[in-house]
Amino acid sequence: AQTVTQSQPEMSVQEAETVTLSCTYDTSENNYYLFWYKQPPSRQMILVIRQEAYKQQNATENRFSVNFQKAAKSFSLKISDSQLGDTAMYFCAFMKHVAETSGSRLTFGEGTQLTVNP
Amino acid sequence: NAGVMQNPRHLVRRRGQEARLRCSPMKGHSHVYWYRQLPEEGLKFMVYLQKENIIDESGMPKERFSAEFPKEGPSILRIQQVVRGDSAAYFCASSPRNKAQPQHFGDGTRLSIL
Repeated sequence: AQTVTQSQPEMSVQEAETVTLSCTYDTSENNYYLFWYKQPPSRQMILVIRQEAYKQQNATENRFSVNFQKAAKSFSLKISDSQLGDTAMYFCAFMKHVAETSGSRLTFGEGTQLTVNP
Repeated sequence: NAGVMQNPRHLVRRRGQEARLRCSPMKGHSHVYWYRQLPEEGLKFMVYLQKENIIDESGMPKERFSAEFPKEGPSILRIQQVVRGDSAAYFCASSPRNKAQPQHFGDGTRLSIL
């Protein structure tokens, strides 16, 4: 079974600054996917960024980037130039790779509540 | 292109009643997942379905809970004889058939048990 750990229940950052959210996971799988989802006060679940474990290059989406360390089983999210709209709960999630035509469950961490202060 | 549609957004039931939660996946998506989020917690997997098949129900409570995804119509998560502990947000997600694509989530159904 896989586990995902987010050790920072709450974090805060000043607008325009950079913040890094931590995530570690435990798995015996070699091929898998990692995700960060954002849940704002509206409670929607919004995909922020995705990383394939077989890719060494860290994923980047505009102001969001990850630091993926496969050997250490670490997957942190960096948010640059923080904006007020980034205030949300952030969940790290793991999904093991299966056959091309199959799906697989997501295993979530407990979340980090990020507050961006003006 | 409509996203994952869940209804109702809010559902109030009294203890002992039945709750039915509906989920229509995104167009072209044939995989449906249900997750439960208890207050102040992360999302926990419940069940994974494809059309007319339950693929993985290892996260589903053994009693009172059932799920289906019929050939026609939305996926249904059914909770019989609800109890206070069933109060939670229930999220549905869908993904396409080919390749391990990210799951797209609906807005959730907030179930409150009186």
